[in-house]
Amino acid sequence: AQSVTQPDIHITVSEGASLELRCNYSYGATPYLFWYVQSPGQGLQLLLKYFSGDTLVQGIKGFEAEFKRSQSSFNLRKPSVHWSDAAEYFCAGGTDKLIFGTGTRLQVFP
Amino acid sequence: GAVVSQHPSWVICKSGTSVKIECRSLDFQATTMFWYRQFPKQSLMLMATSNEGSKATYEQGVEKDKFLINHASLTLSTLTVTSAHPEDSSFYICSASQGAQATEAFFGQGTRLTVV
Repeated sequence: AQSVTQPDIHITVSEGASLELRCNYSYGATPYLFWYVQSPGQGLQLLLKYFSGDTLVQGIKGFEAEFKRSQSSFNLRKPSVHWSDAAEYFCAGGTDKLIFGTGTRLQVFP
Repeated sequence: GAVVSQHPSWVICKSGTSVKIECRSLDFQATTMFWYRQFPKQSLMLMATSNEGSKATYEQGVEKDKFLINHASLTLSTLTVTSAHPEDSSFYICSASQGAQATEAFFGQGTRLTVV
């Protein structure tokens, strides 16, 4: 069955520290992959997406993600986290439909 | 980028009443709109896919008579929660796409429904 897994429910980092949020997918073929961010009570904002080509994808707000076929992963990274990055992050994959992971809540300490 | 607007942002209704949520694409024509439901601290679950001018396609387990979806124009889809009950309280999010793929869709800001 198709699935998207985010192993980390909650991550806490200090402001200025680096960040990596994990995402694994299970599909018959390589799906389109996305990372979204959601602030409390808000909709989803697209950070970045991978369709094909270069496996390192640059997104908005200084985020990037790397597609690794051998590991079925699409981890999100940021070299230096800002307090405003605190939010819920969702990885999603699919083609005609999107399947979302369960989300990772990021908390940033000053 | 493309803008998708949901209205209202939040609504409180009495048990047994019906509530309509609108999803509008403001600067593009949306052939396909998707409706998701998000329970507190959980992920988004696709409820249904609607195409302009045709009946919506509901995901397994979603009651189509409970959640009425209408996509009457290329810029507007509505979700009506009929005879709402407290267990229908949730965050409802729509997305809209010019094409048929959810991968091309833009999300609205969501609607918080509370049924008392």
